[in-house]
Amino acid sequence: SYELTQPPSVSVSPGQTARITCSGDALPKQYAYWYQQKPGQAPVLVIYKDSERPSGIPERFSGSSSGTTVTLTISGVQAEDEADYYCQSADSSGTYAHVVFGGGTKLTVL
Amino acid sequence: QVQLQESGPGLVKPSETLSLTCTVSGGSISSYYWSWIRQPAGKGLEWIGRIYTSGSTNYNPSLKSRVTMSVDTSKNQFSLKLSSVTAADTAVYYCAREPSSIAALIYFDYWGQGTLVTVSS
Repeated sequence: SYELTQPPSVSVSPGQTARITCSGDALPKQYAYWYQQKPGQAPVLVIYKDSERPSGIPERFSGSSSGTTVTLTISGVQAEDEADYYCQSADSSGTYAHVVFGGGTKLTVL
Repeated sequence: QVQLQESGPGLVKPSETLSLTCTVSGGSISSYYWSWIRQPAGKGLEWIGRIYTSGSTNYNPSLKSRVTMSVDTSKNQFSLKLSSVTAADTAVYYCAREPSSIAALIYFDYWGQGTLVTVSS
């Protein structure tokens, strides 16, 4: 089955750069997406198609891809960035589609 | 601004069927894929399945035998039914929209606020 693996937690100090990785065998063939989720709220899309940023998302959020690993980078981390982050991808072919989420990474701003 | 709102019973008895509806406002439900995603307390996100406005569906293989989705374009609503529920189905259930109909681009740009469904007798 298709799986995405994320580290459970990442910690950084304000102003530093946070990098959250997501690994999966199908990532070289499928796009990855990233969501930010704060407590009690619905997830918010922060990166789509590996590295595109939706309108309204701060420029400090960026995404990259290399082989079986995609990375969400948050430059100049702010206290408000403390949240859970989930990567997501999908396996689709013809009429078949299956969406997978990573287990999530809790970003702590020290 | 598109808005999604989940509705349905917050408490379901074991072995019964969970039923939820998502109402879409601020835009048409037509020509999009619509998904259900759930999240047990303190855990990660799990995709349940999706439906296109034509009625075609894709379900998570792990839930496929218990899931039925439907769409009512006249009401701008789509629905989820999950049968034979157990305590393991207790979760916050979200509805969400896929912005693209391209097969290789499956992701979610609009989400409902989520609704907690507890399975308990």
